[in-house]
Amino acid sequence: DTAVSQTPKYLVTQMGNDKSIKCEQNLGHDTMYWYKQDSKKFLKIMFSYNNKELIINETVPNRFSPKSPDKAHLNLHINSLELGDSAVYFCASSFDRGGKETQYFGPGTRLLVL
Amino acid sequence: SQQGEEDPQALSIQEGENATMNCSYKTSINNLQWYRQNSGRGLVHLILIRSNEREKHSGRLRVTLDTSKKSSSLLITASRAADTASYFCATGPYGGATNKLIFGTGTLLAVQP
Repeated sequence: DTAVSQTPKYLVTQMGNDKSIKCEQNLGHDTMYWYKQDSKKFLKIMFSYNNKELIINETVPNRFSPKSPDKAHLNLHINSLELGDSAVYFCASSFDRGGKETQYFGPGTRLLVL
Repeated sequence: SQQGEEDPQALSIQEGENATMNCSYKTSINNLQWYRQNSGRGLVHLILIRSNEREKHSGRLRVTLDTSKKSSSLLITASRAADTASYFCATGPYGGATNKLIFGTGTLLAVQP
């Protein structure tokens, strides 16, 4: 009955590798997001998809590529991982109509790049 | 930076006391929200206040908004040990993508039993 789920929960990898994080929501929401939270707990939006269409794309290196196969899923692929990519990545979702401002977050994926 | 600022950065109180956290932001907003993050967990939405509202209540939570000062406060009354968490404000910008939230720096609240 998990609302927004992410896999994996932890990801430890070497510099230069390519990795993916998956996100799924069962809330019937139209919009999904990826956020990055750094070691100082600063939380910043990276991407947002609405009905599989990219609507927010912040200044993120193009090594990061989101993919939304359907409106219940939003995956994040990262190429050529760097040390600075180490962070917690949160997926979130919301409706795209009345009350759309409230976002529901997943538990996070803790990425450590060695 | 568009990041909002929160103060204090950390707050330690005794169970039963009230906790007040403040948030300042930089741009015009459509709404302001407060989220809680327990250690090692995702964020949980607490309350939303719109730019035309000045005060809102939800259970033990009271939020105020002063758009002239670009600031908001979150008051948690009769705190409990379970309230121990980080609290973040987030603003939805006026115009454009109102769901493009800009988060504050967070306040770490510790409630001692």
